[in-house]
Amino acid sequence: DIQMTQSPSTLSASVGDRVTITCRASQSISTWLAWYQQKPGKAPKVLIYKASSLESGVPSRFSGSGSGTEFTLTISSLQPDDFATYYCQQYNSYWTFGQGTKVEIK
Amino acid sequence: EVQLVESGGGLVQPGGSLRLSCAASGFTVSSNYMGWVRQAPGKGLEWVSFIYSGGRTYYADSVKGRFTISRDNSKNTLYLQMNSLRAEDTAVYYCSLLNGTYRPFDYWGQGTLVTVSS
Repeated sequence: DIQMTQSPSTLSASVGDRVTITCRASQSISTWLAWYQQKPGKAPKVLIYKASSLESGVPSRFSGSGSGTEFTLTISSLQPDDFATYYCQQYNSYWTFGQGTKVEIK
Repeated sequence: EVQLVESGGGLVQPGGSLRLSCAASGFTVSSNYMGWVRQAPGKGLEWVSFIYSGGRTYYADSVKGRFTISRDNSKNTLYLQMNSLRAEDTAVYYCSLLNGTYRPFDYWGQGTLVTVSS
């Protein structure tokens, strides 16, 4: 089974900050990686698919990069609506989520 | 417009059974790839089960042999039959639709809460 490890688990940041979240796969998943945003009591929402493709309607301040086993999600300038929990997910072999990164207000 | 509406959650005793439903609109369940994902209270997301348009099914090791995914084409509905439930199955269960091959979980329902407790 492919394991996904996100870091950090919690991130404290201010509006306007540049934020980076890392996701590592236990084996190569090519670019079959997605990033989701989840707010309390709501279903997750896809932000990025295929490692770096921006989902339609998602603000361009979100970007993804990486391939193989190392991936990053970057928010170029954190906005009030971005305080949430973020998950990576591989879909190269079955489906596995990272444990999540909570972005909270500093 | 794609809509997914889960139902069937509730309180059940350990060892009991429950069937979750996911009523779909805006697309045809039998022609698409769909799955179930769960989230225990305060925890992360866990993939549970998946069904391809051709009918092939997959299960996470944690539920294999206890859960069964199926669909009713006449009702355009996805199901998750859950047997031999355990306390660790307590979670919000989401059904989800992939918008094509090699896609992530694109569309999600609102979720239904399953609580396994005596």
